[in-house]
Amino acid sequence: GAVVSQHPSWVICKSGTSVKIECRSLDFQATTMFWYRQFPKQSLMLMATSNEGSKATYEQGVEKDKFLINHASLTLSTLTVTSAHPEDSSFYICSARVASVADTQYFGPGTRLTVL
Amino acid sequence: DAKTTQPTSMDCAEGRAANLPCNHSTISGNEYVYWYRQIHSQGPQYIIHGLKNNETNEMASLIITEDRKSSTLILPHATLRDTAVYYCIGNQAGTALIFGKGTTLSVSS
Repeated sequence: GAVVSQHPSWVICKSGTSVKIECRSLDFQATTMFWYRQFPKQSLMLMATSNEGSKATYEQGVEKDKFLINHASLTLSTLTVTSAHPEDSSFYICSARVASVADTQYFGPGTRLTVL
Repeated sequence: DAKTTQPTSMDCAEGRAANLPCNHSTISGNEYVYWYRQIHSQGPQYIIHGLKNNETNEMASLIITEDRKSSTLILPHATLRDTAVYYCIGNQAGTALIFGKGTTLSVSS
């Protein structure tokens, strides 16, 4: 199956700082990537859809100025959490769509963000 | 996206087949049934998908009823490493996957 990586796998930062998370499709090109977050004991929640070369589409309730998404190439999308606060602490997961009949999506291993 | 209904939890003995049901009575004709699983603190892992026909791969089999209102994921010989949350998702190809609460499968020896 297709491989998606994320970096870093975990990060601890101070309140008020910004954190960048990278999502890469390693063996395929992805015109579309998706960003999710998951709080403890909850399911994945879609944050935004990232399209290569265009602006991301954010889900209702997700602040686009706080969660900056850039999809500058067919293999890389980044999520920057700006001015992070403790309530932003979560598990952030990306997925990338493989262009096919069913457009199967493959997920990265996730990034654990802890804001102190 | 089709609303899916799954049991909250299931138990299975190691070595036995695990049969995970999913109801998707509102699924439309162009929506696929996708199955993913998530092991604790990891990203979801793709298992299998289908549209109308039954499907099988190295991980599992997917049985879809003729009316497409329900399906069953079959893990033929469950192992302890199959303990995870299993998600059944009805979705149009290319659109974002929307996750429900899934089924927590516990495999015990």
